[in-house]
Amino acid sequence: RKEVEQDPGPFNVPEGATVAFNCTYSNSASQSFFWYRQDCRKEPKLLMSVYSSGNEDGRFTAQLNRASQYISLLIRDSKLSDSATYLCVVFNFGNEKLTFGTGTRLTIIP
Amino acid sequence: DGGITQSPKYLFRKEGQNVTLSCEQNLNHDAMYWYRQDPGQGLRLIYYSQIVNDFQKGDIAEGYSVSREKKESFPLTVTSAQKNPTAFYLCASSILAGGYNEQFFGPGTRLTVL
Repeated sequence: RKEVEQDPGPFNVPEGATVAFNCTYSNSASQSFFWYRQDCRKEPKLLMSVYSSGNEDGRFTAQLNRASQYISLLIRDSKLSDSATYLCVVFNFGNEKLTFGTGTRLTIIP
Repeated sequence: DGGITQSPKYLFRKEGQNVTLSCEQNLNHDAMYWYRQDPGQGLRLIYYSQIVNDFQKGDIAEGYSVSREKKESFPLTVTSAQKNPTAFYLCASSILAGGYNEQFFGPGTRLTVL
């Protein structure tokens, strides 16, 4: 089983719709969680951290469910500029490294 | 303008040749990292360095070598021992080693072995 698993998509969503991605992780000792965004043929950039209580940044909401070992990302009122690949990332303090999921590709359709 | 630069953007190499990828940062970050990204796979850690003159192997270090002689520079050499070197190589840095600190990525180098 992969340490971090994501549905690769692609998700093709009309502009203005709401879309949600899930990501599961296998190491119950994982302690920090993040969503990175990667545009086509570009480098990843941090989108948001994921806190236990859930957090929101504008149209983006991230949730963490430790009991079920998954994190989610919700994008409301999607824009064309949201088209990208979204990477689920987990940090383990035990080995001090980030583990990246393979990414979920999102395309917003006009 | 602070950031991370990688060069070249595209690199072609013949089989059996060593090649060195450049990574420079002017963010005054202590920690630097090299990742490899292949289609359908997540980023995989090759090497990382927490401080000058020190570095550790990541998950897929075989066939690669690094040096960290200066804080701002962390070049990666892809040797002929690397079986499948064609990939997108990403360099990253973070302000401190230890604990989680946001990693900032360079624009990447696409290496193709002919």
